[in-house]
Parts: sequence; C-alpha cells; structure tokens
Amino acid sequence: NAGVTQTPKFRVLKTGQSMTLLCAQDMNHEYMYWYRQDPGMGLRLIHYSVGEGTTAKGEVPDGYNVSRLKKQNFLLGLESAAPSQTSVYFCASSQTGLLNIQYFGAGTRLSVL
Amino acid sequence: ELKVEQNPLFLSMQEGKNYTIYCNYSTTSDRLYWYRQDPGKSLESLFVLLSNGAVKQEGRLMASLDTKARLSTLHITAAVHDLSATYFCAVDPRRGGSQGNLIFGKGTKLSVKP
Repeated sequence: NAGVTQTPKFRVLKTGQSMTLLCAQDMNHEYMYWYRQDPGMGLRLIHYSVGEGTTAKGEVPDGYNVSRLKKQNFLLGLESAAPSQTSVYFCASSQTGLLNIQYFGAGTRLSVL
Repeated sequence: ELKVEQNPLFLSMQEGKNYTIYCNYSTTSDRLYWYRQDPGKSLESLFVLLSNGAVKQEGRLMASLDTKARLSTLHITAAVHDLSATYFCAVDPRRGGSQGNLIFGKGTKLSVKP
C-alpha cells in the first residue's frame, strides 16, 4: 500500500549542481503535483500535470522543470541549484472527480549550499 | 489572484479547551480542504467541503464552510495533546471542473498543553 513515494528523502547540493526528484504513485491517479514548503509560507505549487505527457506551471515555477513520461511518475528537475531552492519538496497526486483529494508523499528535504 | 488567509498562525491551547481556526479566501470557490501535518511528516487530508453550509465532523474536529462569507472554520472541541500539529486550509480556485491546483494558507501551528 505505497501510495505516493518520493526519492530521495534528503539531499545536499552545492550551488550550480543539478538533480532530479522522483515521485511515483501506484493509485492510477491522473493528476500529479509538485509543491515546495518553506517556513511560514505554507505550500506553494511549482508545477502540475493533468495527465501523461502534459505539464503546467504553478505559482513558483522558475528554476524548475518537470516531466511526466509515464502516468505513475512525475519528475522535478533543478538544472542549476540555488540557495533559494533550499526547501522541503512534496509531491501529491489526485484522481479526477468531485472530491479531487490530493494525497501527499513523505517529502524531500533539499539543502543548497 | 486567489489569496487564502488563516488565523491564528500559532495557537497554544490547554487540554480540554475549545477553540476555532479561521480560513478566509478572496474569490469564489467550489471546494475547500483541510489538511493536518505532524512535525517532519507529510500532509494528511481531514475534510473536503463542497457547498455552502457544509459541515463535516471527525472526532474532536468539526469543519464548516460559508461560501457567501468566503470563510471556513475548523473547530476543536475539548483539545487533547494528540491534536498538536499544523493545520492547513486549501482552496481550489477553479469553478466547475477542477485541475486541483490548490492554494494553501500558511498553516496554523497548534500546540495542546496539559
């Protein structure tokens, strides 16, 4: 009963390095999302996807790219990490329908030095 | 632009007391969600409120929605330590068909003390 799985759980990067965060869901959900959570800021949407092969920008997309090549996976990339991208990143998924409840992964804690 | 404001942002309660967390939002919406987050953990869905006057209850928590006032409340009855967590409200900015890109409030950090 995995739900939404994020890898890695922790990562430390140096400024300018690149990395990819992986989100996998086993609930056959159509929609997937990437958020960042910063102290006192709540969650802010970075990018989201309403289906395989589609992506869209959220509230804070700059500095990030995403891909959804398979329905169950949603990748978040940082091409050139900056200290401002130090944050906790959450992936979520949801099914189409009236309720559209989002189910969240455990998060990835990223530090950029 | 949809804005979601929660208050208070910090709440220290004694066990056994009642209190209410407020969530105001700036534009009309069909859906409002409440989530709970324990320290260092992920977010867990508590309630989905879909219509004006909707009320949902689970244990010591009760959520309500007034779409005319653009206000949702999360009422805590006879608080216990296990309710200590951060509570978020989130609003779906799209009417009708939703793509689920929620706007979250900043969260209310609740601490229940004996």
